[in-house]
Amino acid sequence: AQTVTQSQPEMSVQEAETVTLSCTYDTSESDYYLFWYKQPPSRQMILVIRQEAYKQQNATENRFSVNFQKAAKSFSLKISDSQLGDAAMYFCALSGGYQKVTFGIGTKLQVIP
Amino acid sequence: NAGVTQTPKFQVLKTGQSMTLQCAQDMNHNSMYWYRQDPGMGLRLIYYSASEGTTDKGEVPNGYNVSRLNKREFSLRLESAAPSQTSVYFCASSEREIEQFFGPGTRLTVL
Repeated sequence: AQTVTQSQPEMSVQEAETVTLSCTYDTSESDYYLFWYKQPPSRQMILVIRQEAYKQQNATENRFSVNFQKAAKSFSLKISDSQLGDAAMYFCALSGGYQKVTFGIGTKLQVIP
Repeated sequence: NAGVTQTPKFQVLKTGQSMTLQCAQDMNHNSMYWYRQDPGMGLRLIYYSASEGTTDKGEVPNGYNVSRLNKREFSLRLESAAPSQTSVYFCASSEREIEQFFGPGTRLTVL
């Protein structure tokens, strides 16, 4: 079985500052993908960033980047220059064998103007 | 392209009533999924379908049935709704493990 743990139920950040959301996982698969999804109040799930486990280089998407530590099974999301529109629930997710995706319980991010 | 669509967006049922949640995708994806989202629990997989004609149980399948009608459509049926099934339901589709695309969700309340 695979597990995803997000230990920060809520986080807050000042607008224009940087915040890091934590995620740890466990899987017996050697090939897998890790994701961060954003869910704003509209409820729509939006993919923020994706990391392939076989790639050592950390993924980046504009202001979003990850710190992928494979040996430690850690996958944190860094949001730089935080904006009001970044306020949302953020879910870490793991896709292992048989295309099953496991989600963490989420971190609610508040952005303070 | 509409992506993944779900109907209805909202539904209120009484205990014991039945209903079917509809999901369709226009991205020609092989895999489709049904999740439920509850506060403090994240998204939990109810059923998934790796390809047309196949379905498999996820983490929380009890009380639900699914039908993969064709490649585009994947429905979720509650035969006898219970208050514990009050939740937000998401349908998703994907091609391999790269990314899942989600519908807008259905908020279901069972009284």
